[in-house]
Amino acid sequence: EAQVTQNPRYLITVTGKKLTVTCSQNMNHEYMSWYRQDPGLGLRQIYYSMNVEVTDKGDVPEGYKVSRKEKRNFPLILESPSPNQTSLYFCASSFAQGLGGYTFGSGTRLTVV
Amino acid sequence: QKEVEQDPGPLSVPEGAIVSLNCTYSNSAFQYFMWYRQYSRKGPELLMYTYSSGNKEDGRFTAQVDKSSKYISLFIRDSQPSDSATYLCAMSWNNDMRFGAGTRLTVKP
Repeated sequence: EAQVTQNPRYLITVTGKKLTVTCSQNMNHEYMSWYRQDPGLGLRQIYYSMNVEVTDKGDVPEGYKVSRKEKRNFPLILESPSPNQTSLYFCASSFAQGLGGYTFGSGTRLTVV
Repeated sequence: QKEVEQDPGPLSVPEGAIVSLNCTYSNSAFQYFMWYRQYSRKGPELLMYTYSSGNKEDGRFTAQVDKSSKYISLFIRDSQPSDSATYLCAMSWNNDMRFGAGTRLTVKP
């Protein structure tokens, strides 16, 4: 089944404790992206990647890092999480940026206390 | 002004009703227009994908794009309780995609 897999689904952590949210896709997509979804604000892009070793900032990149060492994986790293990063996070992939619609993962609900 | 405006609802309709969901946008450069459906505790899934102005029909769903008015719509005919979800509009241009905040729809049996 073609899919984007995120882990974990739920995560509660404390301020300042580094964490990684993993994302993997099995569709050989070139483009991958991370979004956060907050009530009333919709989906906001954090980082995206056009291909392996090519990443760039989205609209809200502060406090996040990403890497794209393999085509299928695109982890999101929070090196020092803060409570304002409490949100619902989605990984998405597509064969090309802005075209063809995105396939989204099931989401990671992160709470930082 | 947000680049994409979408009424958050909530919208509640009886089963069998025709539902109309709408978005307006400010950037006239947008060329591709999409609707995503998001069930509770799930990621958005692509429902409709259209290019430029016009209509596209897929079963009970019809997507309409009016680029002159910067307005897009999604119509759901014979709505079912299983259509209860949040619907997100999205549009893209030149490698940039923007989403609306979503409209929550409930279809009551």
